[in-house]
Amino acid sequence: DAGVIQSPRHEVTEMGQEVTLRCKPISGHDYLFWYRQTMMRGLELLIYFNNNVPIDDSGMPEDRFSAKMPNASFSTLKIQPSEPRDSAVYFCASSLRGGRGDTQYFGPGTRLTVL
Amino acid sequence: QKEVEQDPGPLSVPEGAIVSLNCTYSNSAFQYFMWYRQYSRKGPELLMYTYSSGNKEDGRFTAQVDKSSKYISLFIRDSQPSDSATYLCARVTGNQFYFGTGTSLTVIP
Repeated sequence: DAGVIQSPRHEVTEMGQEVTLRCKPISGHDYLFWYRQTMMRGLELLIYFNNNVPIDDSGMPEDRFSAKMPNASFSTLKIQPSEPRDSAVYFCASSLRGGRGDTQYFGPGTRLTVL
Repeated sequence: QKEVEQDPGPLSVPEGAIVSLNCTYSNSAFQYFMWYRQYSRKGPELLMYTYSSGNKEDGRFTAQVDKSSKYISLFIRDSQPSDSATYLCARVTGNQFYFGTGTSLTVIP
């Protein structure tokens, strides 16, 4: 298996622009997670899906952030409009069941820079 | 107060040393703990997880939980240059993952 695939790997944009990050989870995994990582705050869970349904979006920082999972093999995280403080590495992860002890497999991340 | 506190380091040790990485947590709710390793410009990967107090060993790695002190540790024996990475501790309760900010480790040959 190719693992979790994220695109783009790097994104540089200007403040106010829309940014869309993409993720393809491991086939057969029922859970998908979006994280944001910064030096100051570490790794933060933004939202997670179970069988394409958003379960908990309490980590989404503002209404500027939205996430969708139209099918089992694709998810997007959108920021509109983007701001410099959104600069971070965004990770997507997937797991088979999402429960106790279940391993989350992380993608390589998208490094976002908002100027 | 953050859910999980972790000393960011950086920590630098000679090859072969025993490494101790530590985290503290604040919530006593039923939970379990994980240690992730993250190489530079890569996603985190799971190293170990443990539910209860005591030690769990896997090769050169030992995870320790002290619930009375709310303290979790990862020990690396006979450290290798390939262990150079950032180590993240995580507390999991329900489906909520709370990560520490990570400790950067460099093992010098």
